[in-house]
Amino acid sequence: DQQVKQNSPSLSVQEGRISILNCDYTNSMFDYFLWYKKYPAEGPTFLISISSIKDKNEDGRFTVFLNKSAKHLSLHIVPSQPGDSAVYFCAAKPLWDFGNEKLTFGTGTRLTIIP
Amino acid sequence: KAGVTQTPRYLIKTRGQQVTLSCSPISGHRSVSWYQQTPGQGLQFLFEYFSETQRNKGNFPGRFSGRQFSNSRSEMNVSTLELGDSALYLCASSPPGQGAYEQYFGPGTRLTVT
Repeated sequence: DQQVKQNSPSLSVQEGRISILNCDYTNSMFDYFLWYKKYPAEGPTFLISISSIKDKNEDGRFTVFLNKSAKHLSLHIVPSQPGDSAVYFCAAKPLWDFGNEKLTFGTGTRLTIIP
Repeated sequence: KAGVTQTPRYLIKTRGQQVTLSCSPISGHRSVSWYQQTPGQGLQFLFEYFSETQRNKGNFPGRFSGRQFSNSRSEMNVSTLELGDSALYLCASSPPGQGAYEQYFGPGTRLTVT
């Protein structure tokens, strides 16, 4: 049972435009969400997170939006740059479950920025 | 601060053998988690250790085991290797305390089973 879903395996965006990556979750116990970026032969690198008490978090070119009622979050990258080409993973965890550090990941979206 | 380190980076083993992978967390981090990444499957949680105790375990067979030492370094072991165990094994560490913290990942160990 895939509790975190990224339904787009790949996405291509022109350099300078907005990239929008989507993620859906089914487990209502999740209340903390993270985005990771992964280059080949490297481990995932943390990008940005959001807790369920917020609906938006911004960090430079990266903004994450959370729609709790729809159990949906999205990552916006503006403007997109060639170095953003990577695989992006959405992850979730329950903050209230003390001692549970397990992250549940989506299957990833490969973003390609076209120069 | 040095990041999470994993050794070895690459490994080739034969079916039926066993393998041990090592992970050193960021200094001060006491929680270490292990994940398996295979194509199309994302990252699957294996287990998490905190203060030398396994706190959480994912849905993997008993052939997958781990341990954590007093210095927070962790090892995972896979016995009786199968072809399907070929994957990237990632280790992640978390800062002390519960809360809205991200996990910091190492570069991974690429295991190939032939």
